[in-house]
Amino acid sequence: AQTVTQSQPEMSVQEAETVTLSCTYDTSESNYYLFWYKQPPSRQMILVIRQEAYKQQNATENRFSVNFQKAAKSFSLKISDSQLGDTAMYFCAFMSGTYKYIFGTGTRLKVLA
Amino acid sequence: NAGVTQTPKFRVLKTGQSMTLLCAQDMNHEYMYWYRQDPGMGLRLIHYSVGEGTTAKGEVPDGYNVSRLKKQNFLLGLESAAPSQTSVYFCASRTGSTGELFFGEGSRLTVL
Repeated sequence: AQTVTQSQPEMSVQEAETVTLSCTYDTSESNYYLFWYKQPPSRQMILVIRQEAYKQQNATENRFSVNFQKAAKSFSLKISDSQLGDTAMYFCAFMSGTYKYIFGTGTRLKVLA
Repeated sequence: NAGVTQTPKFRVLKTGQSMTLLCAQDMNHEYMYWYRQDPGMGLRLIHYSVGEGTTAKGEVPDGYNVSRLKKQNFLLGLESAAPSQTSVYFCASRTGSTGELFFGEGSRLTVL
């Protein structure tokens, strides 16, 4: 069975600094997708970034980028120039051909002014 | 454009009562999912559906049943609620192309 592990329950970063959130996963499949979702205090889940496993190039979306290490089964999220609005719970997620969509336990990020 | 709508948003039940959570999406998505979110445990998959008339078990299916009689609706039922089912429930849907999940606003259920 696939599993997703986020080992950092809470993190904080100063405004305008860079922070990296960790995620590891376990799967025997070769083709899959990885995602980072953001859940602000409003509780609404929002997609931050996605990565296809067959693509070697790391995905980027403005200030958000990932470091995808397929062999190590690692998928970390880097947030550059952190803003107060980045304060949220961040979830790493995995999806494969079985259509199951599995989430990690989340990392609560607080951006400090 | 409503997206994914969950009803009700809040509900308080007594142990042993039954209830149904309704999820409706207007995006013609094939895949629909029910999750529960508990502190420190993230989002855990209860049941999911890959199309009208189909359902499948997720990570924590016990105590829940689901139905997908219409493509746009995915119902989550609790036949005999237990305090352990106190949680926030999220419904989500997606297409087969991008994999992005679109979430409802969540339903907070308390079982006394």
